[in-house]
Amino acid sequence: GAGVSQSPRYKVTKRGQDVALRCDPISGHVSLYWYRQALGQGPEFLTYFNYEAQQDKSGLPNDRFSAERPEGSISTLTIQRTEQRDSAMYRCASSVQGQTGELFFGEGSRLTVL
Amino acid sequence: QKEVEQDPGPLSVPEGAIVSLNCTYSNSAFQYFMWYRQYSRKGPELLMYTYSSGNKEDGRFTAQVDKSSKYISLFIRDSQPSDSATYLCAMSAPGTYKYIFGTGTRLKVLA
Repeated sequence: GAGVSQSPRYKVTKRGQDVALRCDPISGHVSLYWYRQALGQGPEFLTYFNYEAQQDKSGLPNDRFSAERPEGSISTLTIQRTEQRDSAMYRCASSVQGQTGELFFGEGSRLTVL
Repeated sequence: QKEVEQDPGPLSVPEGAIVSLNCTYSNSAFQYFMWYRQYSRKGPELLMYTYSSGNKEDGRFTAQVDKSSKYISLFIRDSQPSDSATYLCAMSAPGTYKYIFGTGTRLKVLA
């Protein structure tokens, strides 16, 4: 497709389970970002990839959160031992090259932890 | 204090009004400034992108950056009901690749 694709769109899980959220960026986009957006708030930075290299993970809340982009294209955000406070919209964005400004966002993955 | 402050609104205006949306920031290193529009249950879409100071105009939208005051604005002329959305400002410093977003301002344009 032409845009950033995220899956699943909705995920409901029980506390303590692991979840994996997938992002397929726009073809050719070098930079990939993960953000988290709470209701009524702006997106909060989680991590940034340049090709396959994770260049900034300063926004990951704790060591239960990890992300990878092994071949420089599709990325996976993994949350281990989920907690209720992890419930949020997780958004992926990509850009041709970091810092040029045009971040293209996907529709997001809504995570609900019961 | 947050790095980027934005009034959450909601801001209600009549159709045809000029809308002014604003953000203030504390980090003087920010050089890249953006405005996004987000419709309900959708992802943010980029409206305007500005580097450093100055004005930029695109159709009914004008973005202004005043780095001396650490203040950015988005003006919408001849506002339409279809402009009803949440408007997010975002900014970044050189070399960081981390865009910091405001909380967003909810705008309602009444027909």
